Amino acid sequence: DSGVTQTPKHLITATGQRVTLRCSPRSGDLSVYWYQQSLDQGLQFLIQYYNGEERAKGNILERFSAQQFPDLHSELNLSSLELGDSALYFCASSVVDRGTDTQYFGPGTRLTVL
Amino acid sequence: AQKITQTQPGMFVQEKEAVTLDCTYDTSDQSYGLFWYKQPSSGEMIFLIYQGSYDEQNATEGRYSLNFQKARKSANLVISASQLGDSAMYFCAMSRYNNAGNMLTFGGGTRLMVKP
Repeated sequence: DSGVTQTPKHLITATGQRVTLRCSPRSGDLSVYWYQQSLDQGLQFLIQYYNGEERAKGNILERFSAQQFPDLHSELNLSSLELGDSALYFCASSVVDRGTDTQYFGPGTRLTVL
Repeated sequence: AQKITQTQPGMFVQEKEAVTLDCTYDTSDQSYGLFWYKQPSSGEMIFLIYQGSYDEQNATEGRYSLNFQKARKSANLVISASQLGDSAMYFCAMSRYNNAGNMLTFGGGTRLMVKP
């Protein structure tokens, strides 16, 4: 158990809908990251927050947004869902945001868009 | 841009034998970190080992060691005395040391299957 929690574990929804994925980092970690794992794209970095502020953005679609709250939990919002958004979404956390910091991953949320 | 290449999509190893999983990387950065993660069939990503680009000694963590050859830009994972529970996907990843965040770039992964 990495100490990072993600809810829900599974999510099944329809095209055009909006969902929210939630992540709680390890106690004491200030940085939260979101990654998407799909069969065709592999593991891709989406976005990073550090102590409530956006730190870096990767290949995140405009239909997707995220935020980190004062208690450091984070939410990833996915809207106007398409079939291709079906994937495993991971949240990870690290103490700060240096390149030496190990990122510990949550169990993931498996999103299925029908 | 950074790139990680794992050339072995799948590998078999006999239980109790050692196995090496290959990872090569491409970066113009002088400072970077290299990581290996394990993803069992249950789906979670488990951190195994870390090597910093300025570390002179190869990293070791229990049965895992990282064979770091900076000039060749390779960071191979060595698993000694393989166990059935080692059957999983293994991902090599790289991080950057800069002020633009700390995202990981992943390779495509290697599926390791341990035979009894």
